[in-house]
Amino acid sequence: EDQVTQSPEALRLQEGESSSLNCSYTVSGLRGLFWYRQDPGKGPEFLFTLYSAGEEKEKERLKATLTKKESFLHITAPKPEDSATYLCAVQVLTGGGNKLTFGTGTQLKVEL
Amino acid sequence: GAVVSQHPSWVICKSGTSVKIECRSLDFQATTMFWYRQFPKQSLMLMATSNEGSKATYEQGVEKDKFLINHASLTLSTLTVTSAHPEDSSFYICSARVAGGYQETQYFGPGTRLLVL
Repeated sequence: EDQVTQSPEALRLQEGESSSLNCSYTVSGLRGLFWYRQDPGKGPEFLFTLYSAGEEKEKERLKATLTKKESFLHITAPKPEDSATYLCAVQVLTGGGNKLTFGTGTQLKVEL
Repeated sequence: GAVVSQHPSWVICKSGTSVKIECRSLDFQATTMFWYRQFPKQSLMLMATSNEGSKATYEQGVEKDKFLINHASLTLSTLTVTSAHPEDSSFYICSARVAGGYQETQYFGPGTRLLVL
């Protein structure tokens, strides 16, 4: 069974304090790993897709990396507006259709 | 970017009534849409995959007769919660798949919060 585990469950940072969120996965064959940001009461907002180990993508203060077992979302010098729940999801190569399996998310709070 | 809308954003209904939620892809055609449900402090759980012009594929444990899905066009999918009960109260979110060769992405709607009294 495909599994996605995110850690930590919650993270509190001071503004400017860089950190990383972890997403570890166990799947039969990875087609893609997705990162989303979700604000309270809203739908997830797409951030990145990673397809192969060693791939990296950046967007403003966020950088996502991928290995064969896990992905990291690095947040550099975060600001209060980066506060949200960050979700990762995997899509498998065969037997899963096009569906995404989500982790439980990391709730990030950035304080002044 | 790809935009997905949902309507309504909020609905309150009495137990036993049916509720329809619409999901539209505004600036692209989506052959595949997905319906998720999310309980407070929990992650998204896939309910069903909706393909235009064919029957939806439901995940294990999801009652197809209770959650009716129709994907009548390339830009519209609907979810009808029939004979709703308080335990159906949840946050329902749809997504639409944008495919481009090997790469594809799911874009999500803003969600519909359902409260059944």
